[in-house]
Amino acid sequence: EAGVTQSPTHLIKTRGQQATLRCSPISGHTSVYWYQQALGLGLQFLLWYDEGEERNRGNFPPRFSGRQFPNYSSELNVNALELEDSALYLCASSSDTYRVWNTEAFFGQGTRLTVV
Amino acid sequence: AQTVTQSQPEMSVQEAETVTLSCTYDTSESDYYLFWYKQPPSRQMILVIRQEAYKQQNATENRFSVNFQKAAKSFSLKISDSQLGDAAMYFCAYQNTGNQFYFGTGTSLTVIP
Repeated sequence: EAGVTQSPTHLIKTRGQQATLRCSPISGHTSVYWYQQALGLGLQFLLWYDEGEERNRGNFPPRFSGRQFPNYSSELNVNALELEDSALYLCASSSDTYRVWNTEAFFGQGTRLTVV
Repeated sequence: AQTVTQSQPEMSVQEAETVTLSCTYDTSESDYYLFWYKQPPSRQMILVIRQEAYKQQNATENRFSVNFQKAAKSFSLKISDSQLGDAAMYFCAYQNTGNQFYFGTGTSLTVIP
């Protein structure tokens, strides 16, 4: 069974540009979480999608946005990139929120975004 | 709001020895799950162990065990017989009944041969 897959693995952008990161959850998982892992700051929660809806977002500016598609894959968009957006972006998925709660999150290997 | 605190940014342990990583959390809920995840240099986050808050018995997985103190809101991870492959960043995580995950800032574990 395929795990959580993220693309691209690495992404280099110029300040002011837009970045799009993609995530495919494990088959059958409806929840997708996005985290930013900047050096020394641990995992900062960005967004949580479930069943196509945004359930919660972390303390990030509106230029961080995303969506979840009908097949439960997800996209994270970062507009007007700033140098401090350089980080590893991790996506995780878990099972249906309302039928099987408290299941573990499975992580992808991340997208390393570098803003120059 | 729930928060997770890992007060040890870095830890080191001699190979074959035992090390304990600390984690505390803040919540007003009574039902929740706690996790320890491991992130090796490959970046792939791997679940190490999980604990249900309603269970008093501490979870164990081979060389990994937890000391769960619900009243103190403490959830430490003990690694016995440390191996070189245990070297990684370890994250403590809290999951509430709404399936929301909260992570600590991580502890970088070095295993000394």
